[in-house]
Amino acid sequence: NAGVTQTPKFRVLKTGQSMTLLCAQDMNHEYMYWYRQDPGMGLRLIHYSVGEGTTAKGEVPDGYNVSRLKKQNFLLGLESAAPSQTSVYFCASSPRTSGSRYNEQFFGPGTRLTVL
Amino acid sequence: DQQVKQNSPSLSVQEGRISILNCDYTNSMFDYFLWYKKYPAEGPTFLISISSIKDKNEDGRFTVFLNKSAKHLSLHIVPSQPGDSAVYFCAASPKTGANNLFFGTGTRLTVIP
Repeated sequence: NAGVTQTPKFRVLKTGQSMTLLCAQDMNHEYMYWYRQDPGMGLRLIHYSVGEGTTAKGEVPDGYNVSRLKKQNFLLGLESAAPSQTSVYFCASSPRTSGSRYNEQFFGPGTRLTVL
Repeated sequence: DQQVKQNSPSLSVQEGRISILNCDYTNSMFDYFLWYKKYPAEGPTFLISISSIKDKNEDGRFTVFLNKSAKHLSLHIVPSQPGDSAVYFCAASPKTGANNLFFGTGTRLTVIP
């Protein structure tokens, strides 16, 4: 199994350009997440999805949109990139919660995005 | 406002000694706590977790302690090995259905051979 994969690994954008980051998982997980990591800030949740066709906002959703058309894929879109969106983006997935058990998240390798 | 805090950005320890990484949280609704390990240019990988109904969980060289009254948890690594050198993130999740995680800012551990 490849686990969680992210495309692309690196990208440089100019202010105002748009792009889509792709996340794919082959573990049949129900839940998927997008985080950003900035220096001194840890990882912060942007958007998440608890199933195909459903999405919800996390801590820092402004300036981003997401779609979960297929269970295995979770797309993160930037419609008009800004320098403040320069960051490392991580996708994660986890199985559905069942009872009191917590299922940990599995992370992809990250996408380093620079907005000039 | 940061709900999960790791106040030590870095820690250096001699090989074979104990490493203690600390984490504090402010939200009393957090129900589950995790530690993730991260190497450069890789995603975080799950290390160990603890439920709020426990005060200790052990897995090999790694032990996590939870003090709910102090809203504090710690990760002990004994003995520390050079391969443990990485950034360690503390994370917490409230009792919701989506497993959402709130992360600390990370502590860079360096184990000196």
